Amino acid sequence: GAVVSQHPSRVICKSGTSVKIECRSLDFQATTMFWYRQFPKQSLMLMATSNEGSKATYEQGVEKDKFLINHASLTLSTLTVTSAHPEDSSFYICSARGQANTEAFFGQGTRLTVV
Amino acid sequence: GNSVTQMEGPVTLSEEAFLTINCTYTATGYPSLFWYVQYPGEGLQLLLKATKADDKGSNKGFEATYRKETTSFHLEKGSVQVSDSAVYFCALRVTSGTYKYIFGTGTRLKVLA
Repeated sequence: GAVVSQHPSRVICKSGTSVKIECRSLDFQATTMFWYRQFPKQSLMLMATSNEGSKATYEQGVEKDKFLINHASLTLSTLTVTSAHPEDSSFYICSARGQANTEAFFGQGTRLTVV
Repeated sequence: GNSVTQMEGPVTLSEEAFLTINCTYTATGYPSLFWYVQYPGEGLQLLLKATKADDKGSNKGFEATYRKETTSFHLEKGSVQVSDSAVYFCALRVTSGTYKYIFGTGTRLKVLA
């Protein structure tokens, strides 16, 4: 299958700072990328869907000013957690797909710890 | 709306035991169905999938059959190994719009030697 790479795999940041997570499709053009958040021992919650070159669509309850998503190219999307707080500590996972109604491939996830 | 319901875990089995993890779904149209596996500290890996009714997905000894009449996609394996210990997620892919995935809550499997 296709490869989606997420970076970094782990990050620790201080409360009040911002942190950027990258999601790259390595061998295909990702027209759509999805960002998920996973709390310990819980399922994946979809945060937002982004299409290349357009604004992300956020799920209900997700603060778009706090979780900035940029999908500027067909191989890269970024999630920036702004003014991070300890409650933002979580496992963030991206997935990407090419054409509509095709399979999405998942990154390996980023564990964010805010201290 | 679209949703996925999975059996509560954790599930603890002895090596070589038979595994069933139940999954049912609610969806408009005919979604594609997936099972993903997550090992500790890692992302999701696709285990198997089925895209239409009566399809059987299989991989690494795991199987699941898309049952439209019971809206189910139960995961089975005849003989589990310690290395199968992980969290298993059932998911559906909606059939329109962004084709996003909806995940179940996950079932933790622990296999004892």
